[in-house]
Amino acid sequence: QSALTQPASVSGSPGQSITISCTGTSSDVGTFKAVSWYQQHPGTAPRLVIYDVASRPSGVSSRFSGSKTGNTASLTISGLQAEDEGDYYCMSHTSSSTFLFGGGTTVTV
Amino acid sequence: QITLKESGPALVKPTQTLTLTCTFSGFSLTTRGVAVGWIRQPPGKALEWLASIHWNDDKIYSPSLQSRLTITKGTSTDQVVLTMTNMDPADTGTYYCGNKRGYYDKYFESWGPGTLVTVSS
Repeated sequence: QSALTQPASVSGSPGQSITISCTGTSSDVGTFKAVSWYQQHPGTAPRLVIYDVASRPSGVSSRFSGSKTGNTASLTISGLQAEDEGDYYCMSHTSSSTFLFGGGTTVTV
Repeated sequence: QITLKESGPALVKPTQTLTLTCTFSGFSLTTRGVAVGWIRQPPGKALEWLASIHWNDDKIYSPSLQSRLTITKGTSTDQVVLTMTNMDPADTGTYYCGNKRGYYDKYFESWGPGTLVTVSS
């Protein structure tokens, strides 16, 4: 099983919108509504920001949204803020009942 | 409120066996659908899922590490233990545990702060 593919870095200005892609295969991202996204600031544990492709946990800003087309899922952060800087990881459930993470994307504001 | 915390040795020697404990509160591993998973992160690198154990004692392992991993429920009902054999310097990293709350959930809702494990002689 290979890791899901994410861009290494994405940058944007305050107030702009950015989108991070996460590409897998028909055995993971493409098959299940089971893609989640995690935000990680330096030295801290990952924090769930999107689950089931497009659902937002309680307490997560509505500026975070998710979507999926075919084998590619996407995380969009609108109204970019300085606090959004950090690393973002996608994760997908697979047809083998395992989990796969993406390689991570560093967001710079 | 759900909390998880990882514990274990900070330093292990190559070829030794690592034993990590995840102690949690705010949920029960006897509730249908609940699971606890282990995820690791080498310094400066990406997250990697290792293993999960479910409320019914079903265990799932990363195919690439399956031969080295064992996940079990602890002697206490609020603990999960992960053992990894034949440790190598490449296994150095922060090890996290996380919880899956519902039967159909396929994500880790809450995470522990992580514990850094260094493999060195």
